[in-house]
Amino acid sequence: AQTVTQSQPEMSVQEAETVTLSCTYDTSENNYYLFWYKQPPSRQMILVIRQEAYKQQNATENRFSVNFQKAAKSFSLKISDSQLGDTAMYFCAFMTPGAQKLVFGQGTRLTINP
Amino acid sequence: DAMVIQNPRYQVTQFGKPVTLSCSQTLNHNVMYWYQQKSSQAPKLLFHYYDKDFNNEADTPDNFQSRRPNTSFCFLDIRSPGLGDAAMYLCATSRGQGPNLDEQYFGPGTRLTVT
Repeated sequence: AQTVTQSQPEMSVQEAETVTLSCTYDTSENNYYLFWYKQPPSRQMILVIRQEAYKQQNATENRFSVNFQKAAKSFSLKISDSQLGDTAMYFCAFMTPGAQKLVFGQGTRLTINP
Repeated sequence: DAMVIQNPRYQVTQFGKPVTLSCSQTLNHNVMYWYQQKSSQAPKLLFHYYDKDFNNEADTPDNFQSRRPNTSFCFLDIRSPGLGDAAMYLCATSRGQGPNLDEQYFGPGTRLTVT
């Protein structure tokens, strides 16, 4: 069975700083997808970024980028120039193609301070 | 805008009184999911529909049922809510085929309180 582990329950940084959220996973599959979802307080969960395991290039979406280390089964999220609106719960998630099921990590509560 | 809509946003029910939560989508996605999320925890998948095919998670209690009468709507029925069923219930959808078939789009959730 696949598992996803986020070892940082909470993090706090100052606005404009760069922050990295950690995620490790365990699987015997070779082909899979990895996601970071953001859930702001009292607002809906949205997809931040996705990575296909077969792609060596790390995914980037504006200020958000990932460091995907397939051999180490590590998938960290870097937020550059952090903004107050980045304050949220962040979930790392794993899925095998066609499985129709996300396996979530425990989440990291990120607070951006003014 | 295409979206996932959940009604109501807040629901209060009494212990043991059946309750139904609803979800609709304008994305025309094949797959619809129901998750239970308790405070400061990750969402837990209860079940999902791929078109009309129902897929129940092994550890979903029998107290939870679901209906999908058409592509756009999906309902979560809790037959006899207990205090432990108080949670946020999230609906999500995905295409199920084609580009980014597995990417899930979430609704805003329904917060259920059991008194």
